[in-house]
Amino acid sequence: NAGVTQTPKFQVLKTGQSMTLQCAQDMNHEYMSWYRQDPGMGLRLIHYSVGAGITDQGEVPNGYNVSRSTTEDFPLRLLSAAPSQTSVYFCASSLTGLSANYGYTFGSGTRLTVV
Amino acid sequence: EDKVVQSPLSLVVHEGDTVTLNCSYEVTNFRSLLWYKQEKKAPTFLFMLTSSGIEKKSGRLSSILDKKELFSILNITATQTGDSAVYLCAVPSYNQGGKLIFGQGTELSVKP
Repeated sequence: NAGVTQTPKFQVLKTGQSMTLQCAQDMNHEYMSWYRQDPGMGLRLIHYSVGAGITDQGEVPNGYNVSRSTTEDFPLRLLSAAPSQTSVYFCASSLTGLSANYGYTFGSGTRLTVV
Repeated sequence: EDKVVQSPLSLVVHEGDTVTLNCSYEVTNFRSLLWYKQEKKAPTFLFMLTSSGIEKKSGRLSSILDKKELFSILNITATQTGDSAVYLCAVPSYNQGGKLIFGQGTELSVKP
């Protein structure tokens, strides 16, 4: 039982490049989400999904796309990287949206630098 | 708009000191408040609080919730260098499918 697996752990991109951050969970969780963490700002929600085929925007969605074709996978796409997207990204999941009461299971994070 | 505010944002203490971290919240349909510890990687779960006035305790860490005044505190007694971390407070919001709203975090540094 691997939990939430995020890849890669580190990435450096040039401005304008695109890439996909991968997130997979094997706990049959319905709810999956992507957060970014910047110094002094806590974790901010980028996009979330309450089940396969359903995605929605969080508070900072600009410049990012997501899809949820399966229950297990929730990739985050950066369409044209900008230095403002330099951050640490966390994928997190819970059994359902309502079970966020009990907290999330977090991936190990991806440290992204855009130069 | 739902929000969670933590204070202080950073704190430097010496080993053996006692610290109190604060978290205030404004969230509709409040159900629970969670504390996490983050040491240069993913946050790890510490406590979930749902009832006012009932202290949760784990070793030297304890936390209590005041639902009337809309805040929680996290206490750490006899601090150790291993307690150095960012402590995050979070509250589930049901306006966006069950997202967690996080405070800014308190960065605690414990000096030998």
